[in-house]
Amino acid sequence: DAGVTQSPTHLIKTRGQQVTLRCSPKSGHDTVSWYQQALGQGPQFIFQYYEEEERQRGNFPDRFSGHQFPNYSSELNVNALLLGDSALYLCASRRQGEGAYGYTFGSGTRLTVV
Amino acid sequence: RKEVEQDPGPFNVPEGATVAFNCTYSNSASQSFFWYRQDCRKEPKLLMSVYSSGNEDGRFTAQLNRASQYISLLIRDSKLSDSATYLCVPEQAGGSYIPTFGRGTSLIVHP
Repeated sequence: DAGVTQSPTHLIKTRGQQVTLRCSPKSGHDTVSWYQQALGQGPQFIFQYYEEEERQRGNFPDRFSGHQFPNYSSELNVNALLLGDSALYLCASRRQGEGAYGYTFGSGTRLTVV
Repeated sequence: RKEVEQDPGPFNVPEGATVAFNCTYSNSASQSFFWYRQDCRKEPKLLMSVYSSGNEDGRFTAQLNRASQYISLLIRDSKLSDSATYLCVPEQAGGSYIPTFGRGTSLIVHP
């Protein structure tokens, strides 16, 4: 049973560029959340998708946007990259209605902005 | 005030030691609480849930104090493999189930 799959694993981008990160949730899961984890910090909630709609959003600018597809997979897009966007981006999936005990995290995409 | 506050450490302890971490949270409406473990450059993984009555799982004990809004994690007989960052996670109430992560406490167990 595949867990949460994220791609790519590593990425280097230049300031001002745009990036798309991808996430396939665990089989049976329909809700996807994205987190940003800067070095030495805990994961910070970006947004959550369910039924192809953004349901909750953390304190992140509009440069961060997302999408969820009918097969529950999701994308995170970041426009106009800043050096401060360098972080580990984590995707977590769960079944709608389950709490954090049901979360499964992917191994993340490490983004470096130069 | 941050939503979740943890001492970042690191806590340096010898094998076999007992070590305890505390975490305070600001949202009094938080209903569920968890401890996650995160190994270096890996994803967080659920370690255990925290119940009002306390929760014990082998060498690990978690406690919740709602009145003072803190949760704790006690690790007995530390192993080298316990070296990791431990993240305190209260969960938003109201069904949205958005875990809010603290910055974590780093534990280093040495021989």
